[in-house]
Amino acid sequence: SQQGEEDPQALSIQEGENATMNCSYKTSINNLQWYRQNSGRGLVHLILIRSNEREKHSGRLRVTLDTSKKSSSLLITASRAADTASYFCAPLGSQGNLIFGKGTKLSVKP
Amino acid sequence: DTGVSQDPRHKITKRGQNVTFRCDPISEHNRLYWYRQTLGQGPEFLTYFQNEAQLEKSRLLSDRFSAERPKGSFSTLEIQRTEQGDSAMYLCASSPIAGGGGSWETQYFGPGTRLLVL
Repeated sequence: SQQGEEDPQALSIQEGENATMNCSYKTSINNLQWYRQNSGRGLVHLILIRSNEREKHSGRLRVTLDTSKKSSSLLITASRAADTASYFCAPLGSQGNLIFGKGTKLSVKP
Repeated sequence: DTGVSQDPRHKITKRGQNVTFRCDPISEHNRLYWYRQTLGQGPEFLTYFQNEAQLEKSRLLSDRFSAERPKGSFSTLEIQRTEQGDSAMYLCASSPIAGGGGSWETQYFGPGTRLLVL
């Protein structure tokens, strides 16, 4: 399976702290996308990183990709209570579909 | 443009009934995807279209499931003879094709249709 597997499964931090989530996958990829999902709602796209990129930034988000280790990480700096959500990494599968893991449930306490 | 829309947002049905969901992608997005998400899991791929052609289908898409995108715009997903195991959130996503090489781009998701089969 090319499933993206996030680690940790759950993360609880205080507002203002940084949150780091890791993701591993199993085969070669074209790109990898990170999404956020608030409870019971649709997925919001955060960042797409291509296989020839190593790092990408968007506001308080920083994503890295290491294709040799088949891993990616998402860093959220200066977290806010509104960042509380589940975060998914999704490598792009050979069928053109995204392969999701179970996600990391982030809780940011005020 | 308001993004990907899905209708209905919620559906409750009795086992054995047929249900149909609709997805309207972002206009001019060539690719349209269906995923299913159960509680505590990430979304699982069901099928995808490029324009009106259905190019890939997951093994999860049993014979009771059928999807169409007749004019390359909106899509429907029908489940026949629903079972309790079909209860899930059904998500639709769309993406453009960038450049001449058909590269894979960001998939934008709709709010989902939550199905409950009693």
